[in-house]
Amino acid sequence: DVVMTQTPLSLSVTPGQPASISCKSSQSLLHSDGKTFLYWYLQKPGQSPQLLIYELSSRFSGVSDRFSGSGSGTDFTLRISRVEPDDVGVYYCSQGIHLPYTFGQGTKLEIK
Amino acid sequence: QVQLQESGPGLVKPSETLSLTCSVSGGSISGYYWSWLRQPPGKGLEWIGYVYSNGYINYNPSLKNRVTMSVDTSKNEFSLNLNSVTAADTAVYFCATGLLVQEFGSWGQGTLVTVSS
Repeated sequence: DVVMTQTPLSLSVTPGQPASISCKSSQSLLHSDGKTFLYWYLQKPGQSPQLLIYELSSRFSGVSDRFSGSGSGTDFTLRISRVEPDDVGVYYCSQGIHLPYTFGQGTKLEIK
Repeated sequence: QVQLQESGPGLVKPSETLSLTCSVSGGSISGYYWSWLRQPPGKGLEWIGYVYSNGYINYNPSLKNRVTMSVDTSKNEFSLNLNSVTAADTAVYFCATGLLVQEFGSWGQGTLVTVSS
């Protein structure tokens, strides 16, 4: 299975400050069609996960432009330009090119 | 966006079969892939497998021998059966879907299934 490794596992951020989460995959997520099947989800406390970023860098419907995804091959980053209190929760990266689909361990974002 | 709702017993005895149904509203089940995922208490997400509307399936090899998924287009719902459960199968079970099979843009609220005698 493809292993997804996230760092850090937790971070505490002051509102208005930026934040970034790293995700590394044990195999390339680049498809022959040029797409990279890397996804980012946020699971707010007590809720189901919600899709933030699909195919490496595309924001899902309704997602704030404060969120951006980047990277290539096996190294990826989720950036939040200005953290807001509503951003708290656990962030997961996920790969969708190799079966079985797998997720990172999660990164817990807290507000200072 | 479609709405998804899981239903089924919240308590299952060890060695028995866990059975859940996901009802789809706001759209047709036809022409899409429908997935199940789970999350043990305090832990991360695990993809269990998917079923296409024509019945085509793909399961996580870690559960392959115990899992069965099916779809009922007449009821606009799909189902998960997991047999021979143990305490390790205790988790919140989610149904999910998206425009692509590997993209989970819509999730159910999740249902906690506890395996205990």
